[in-house]
Amino acid sequence: NAGVTQTPKFQVLKTGQSMTLQCAQDMNHNSMYWYRQDPGMGLRLIYYSASEGTTDKGEVPNGYNVSRLNKREFSLRLESAAPSQTSVYFCASGPTGDEQFFGPGTRLTVL
Amino acid sequence: AQSVTQPDIHITVSEGASLELRCNYSYGATPYLFWYVQSPGQGLQLLLKYFSGDTLVQGIKGFEAEFKRSQSSFNLRKPSVHWSDAAEYFCAVGAPGGSYIPTFGRGTSLIVHP
Repeated sequence: NAGVTQTPKFQVLKTGQSMTLQCAQDMNHNSMYWYRQDPGMGLRLIYYSASEGTTDKGEVPNGYNVSRLNKREFSLRLESAAPSQTSVYFCASGPTGDEQFFGPGTRLTVL
Repeated sequence: AQSVTQPDIHITVSEGASLELRCNYSYGATPYLFWYVQSPGQGLQLLLKYFSGDTLVQGIKGFEAEFKRSQSSFNLRKPSVHWSDAAEYFCAVGAPGGSYIPTFGRGTSLIVHP
C-alpha cells in the first residue's frame, strides 16, 4: 500500500498562475481533507470531503477549489495564485470518525 | 464546535530526561483525542488516540497520554527522550458523530539536547 500520495512535492508559481495539487489514497477511506501548514499556525483545514461526491469548506477556503474525482482522488486547485498562498499543503484521508493518514506534503512558493 | 490548545510553542529537554507535552481541549462531551508527530519535511504520523475506556493510552515509540476529563486535558508523556524524538507534536480533537472534522492545535516543537 502506498497510503496517501501527493504530487508534486515542490512547486514554484508566479502570481496569477493556476495549478492543481493531486492527492490519492489506496486505503478505501471515505473522508479526505486538504490542509495548509504555515509557521506558528498549525494545520488549517481548506476543504474536506466526507464521501465521494461531496465537498465542504473548511476554515480557509478562499482562493481554492476542490474536486473529489472518485473515492481515491481529491484534488486542490488554485485558480489565480497569490503570495499569501505560499505554504505547505497536506492531503489526508481517514475512516469517518477516526485517525487521519497524511501525505508527504507539497511545498508551494508563489512569487 | 471543539477547540484545542497547546500552551507550549517550544519545549527543550536533555536526552534521557522525561517529557510531558500539554494539550487542553474544549468540547461539551468526551471527544476523540489524538496526538500526531511530524518530523522535519514529513507528513504527520499518528502516535496514539483516545476514544473511550481506559484513560491512559499507550502509543508507538514509547509514548503515552492520559485523558483527564476534569481538567479537559490529554497530555503526552515519555519517560526517557531520545534525540530522534526531536520533532513537531500536534494534539487534535474530533467530535463524535455528524460531519467529522478534527481540529488541530498549533503544535509544540520538541528540541532535544545531547
